[in-house]
Amino acid sequence: DAKTTQPNSMESNEEEPVHLPCNHSTISGTDYIHWYRQLPSQGPEYVIHGLTSNVNNRMASLAIAEDRKSSTLILHRATLRDAAVYYCILRHDSSYKLIFGSGTRLLVRP
Amino acid sequence: EPEVTQTPSHQVTQMGQEVILRCVPISNHLYFYWYRQILGQKVEFLVSFYNNEISEKSEIFDDQFSVERPDGSNFTLKIRSTKLEDSAMYFCASSELGYNEQFFGPGTRLTVL
Repeated sequence: DAKTTQPNSMESNEEEPVHLPCNHSTISGTDYIHWYRQLPSQGPEYVIHGLTSNVNNRMASLAIAEDRKSSTLILHRATLRDAAVYYCILRHDSSYKLIFGSGTRLLVRP
Repeated sequence: EPEVTQTPSHQVTQMGQEVILRCVPISNHLYFYWYRQILGQKVEFLVSFYNNEISEKSEIFDDQFSVERPDGSNFTLKIRSTKLEDSAMYFCASSELGYNEQFFGPGTRLTVL
């Protein structure tokens, strides 16, 4: 399984944008980039995913580098409810399992 | 909004006992999953299930574990003879198709004494 590297923790101020980076230098051409988050005492929650092009949805934006070796999850205006552990996951096209790493713990200051 | 539900929320059992964890996936979803998270550790994939068969399983999912879809709505994880190290939060998830986003339930906390 291809590996991802994320910072252990990041801090943000409420109502400011947050850019969460992820490195995946060993990504293969058929690996999808998924982001999930886990709020305290809850199950993981889907955020966004993409393959090559940047993606936007109501929760976030995903910016994928041209060489696909890194990606950035963008929360446009952080709220206190966005405080969670954010996981960047590579899912191979032939498999549906999600392999979670340690993720980035996002702290949002009021 | 449809959601995955799990029962019980907390299960306490004695080592060596059998436990069954229950999940009701979202009704039109076809793919089902179990994950677990030992306290303070990563979320770990256990098994995926489609069309009444196991699609993939991890090394953790040994002969002590089994999954079943006994009727049209429930999806269960059975641990035959629990060990202390099985203590964890167990999450059920489902997806409409395999490549769609997975929706996770709130989890069952299993405590093995």
